[in-house]
Amino acid sequence: SQTIHQWPATLVQPVGSPLSLECTVEGTSNPNLYWYRQAAGRGLQLLFYSIGIDQISSEVPQNLSASRPQDRQFILSSKKLLLSDSGFYLCASDEGTSSYEQYFGPGTRLTVT
Amino acid sequence: AQSVAQPEDQVNVAEGNPLTVKCTYSVSGNPYLFWYVQYPNRGLQFLLKYITGDNLVKGSYGFEAEFNKSQTSFHLKKPSALVSDSALYFCAVRDTNTGNQFYFGTGTSLTVIP
Repeated sequence: SQTIHQWPATLVQPVGSPLSLECTVEGTSNPNLYWYRQAAGRGLQLLFYSIGIDQISSEVPQNLSASRPQDRQFILSSKKLLLSDSGFYLCASDEGTSSYEQYFGPGTRLTVT
Repeated sequence: AQSVAQPEDQVNVAEGNPLTVKCTYSVSGNPYLFWYVQYPNRGLQFLLKYITGDNLVKGSYGFEAEFNKSQTSFHLKKPSALVSDSALYFCAVRDTNTGNQFYFGTGTSLTVIP
């Protein structure tokens, strides 16, 4: 089965600073990859998803961007963080129609001060 | 439009009693349905799924869920709740017509009272 790694686990950054969160996946190849943000321990907001290398779809316009330089690597970035970027960021992966369910990483807690 | 509704923000149940966490969905095609559990400051853990076949599906930790097509529901159940079941539960649907995107409910916080 898949294993998803995310780092860092926690991050405190000042407003206006850059951001880079990394996600890597083991145990599968050519997965679909997703970035979600969870605010206040509740609902999930889909930020980006990717069906392949350099194939990224953005769901919500904002100051974040995503990249997929390798098949099992997904990076979330920002040039200048806003206070509203604080939240719990989750990376997820699925194998398309072969297994159906998504698997989630442990998450990164981002606090923008 | 595709959507998932979890009508209860909070469910409280006594330890040893049966529990139910409700979920209804709306999709344009055939639904693939899922339940996930989240403990504080952790990622979501997959519990169970309905793809096709028997309407009653069994999953991890003694949980089960019943797919009801006429009521467009997929309620999560467990015969006897444990204190350790206290967590946040998410229902999700994947619409076969739209392919890859998942739609998650807003979550239900379950508290099992000792």
